[in-house]
Order: sequence, then structure tokens, then C-alpha cells
Amino acid sequence: DAGVIQSPRHEVTEMGQEVTLRCKPISGHDYLFWYRQTMMRGLELLIYFNNNVPIDDSGMPEDRFSAKMPNASFSTLKIQPSEPRDSAVYFCASSLGTSGAEQFFGPGTRLTVL
Amino acid sequence: QKEVEQNSGPLSVPEGAIASLNCTYSDRGSQSFFWYRQYSGKSPELIMFIYSNGDKEDGRFTAQLNKASQYVSLLIRDSQPSDSATYLCAVMNSGYALNFGKGTSLLVTP
Repeated sequence: DAGVIQSPRHEVTEMGQEVTLRCKPISGHDYLFWYRQTMMRGLELLIYFNNNVPIDDSGMPEDRFSAKMPNASFSTLKIQPSEPRDSAVYFCASSLGTSGAEQFFGPGTRLTVL
Repeated sequence: QKEVEQNSGPLSVPEGAIASLNCTYSDRGSQSFFWYRQYSGKSPELIMFIYSNGDKEDGRFTAQLNKASQYVSLLIRDSQPSDSATYLCAVMNSGYALNFGKGTSLLVTP
């Protein structure tokens, strides 16, 4: 079975541009998580969904960030406008709530904002 | 802010030795605890989870939990160079969200 799929794997953009990161969770998983990882702050939870509904977005740093999950197999994280301090690796993870909380991580998107 | 604290390391151990990784957490109500391993440039992968006080063993790995002291540890026996990675401690406070520590870098030298 395919794991969590993320695209793009690398993104380089200029400050002020809109960035959209994409995630396809493992089929059948009902939880989807978006994380950001930097050297300074480590791995931080941004937002998570259960059955496509946002449950906790308290980790979203500011209004420039938004996330959607229009269906069970797709989610996006959008940054508009992007800033250099948004440079990080963004991970998507999914889990099956009924079997415990093991989260399976995607390969990540390395975002560089110039 | 509910904190999960880890020594950043690097922790250096010789091949074949026991590596001991430690983690403390601030939320006394935390119920579930996880250890993830992350190789450089890769995504985190789950090694072990523990819910109850005491020890839990899986192969060369042993997780230890002491809720009274708010302390969780990971022991790696017979350490191998392939164990060299960053080990992330994660705590589930509520719902299914994980709060991660910043990780401890482990280096196993041949």
C-alpha cells in the first residue's frame, strides 16, 4: 500500500508568493495532521482533521496560513503571502483513530522562501 | 504551553553499548507516549509507544514510563551505527494530537 503522499517535495518561491502544499493520506485513515519542522522550533503541529473536519487549528501561526480537506483523500495547506520565516519542512501525517494513535508521516515538503 | 523536553545531544555511544534517551513532560494528564526515530532528511517513523507505568520491550528497544515523575525514556541495547538518528519523544495530551520534543541526536560510533 502507498504511504502518505505529499507534493511537491521541494518548493522554492519568493516572498509574497502564494504556496500550496498537497497531501494524500493513507486510504482509510480518518485523521490527518499538518506539521512544520525547523531547527529552532522542532516539529510543531499546525492543524489536524478528523473525517475531513478541522478539529484543532491552534497551531496555525497566523492568518496567512489556511488548510482544507475537501474529501477523505486530499488536503491542502496554503500560505499566502509567504515570508522567509515560513521556510521549513512541512509534513503531513495520517492515522486511523480506532487503532490507536500511530501517525504515519509523509516524506515532507521542503519549502524555501527567498 | 504544554512542554516536552529532551536533551538535544549529540549523545555518542560506542557500538554494542546501551543508549539511554530521556524525555520529560509538563502535562500531568498526559496518557500516551511515543518515540519516533528520524534519519537526516527523512520523515519521523514510530519506534514504540507506551501507555502504562513501567517498562515495555520490543526487540532491542525498551520504553520506560514514570507518570509520577513525568518522565519517559528509551533504551537501545546493542547499539548499531544504523541507530544513529534523531529520536523524538511525543506526548498525546488530548484528542489525537501529538506534542513533540525537539529530539535527541544519537551517534553510534563503530
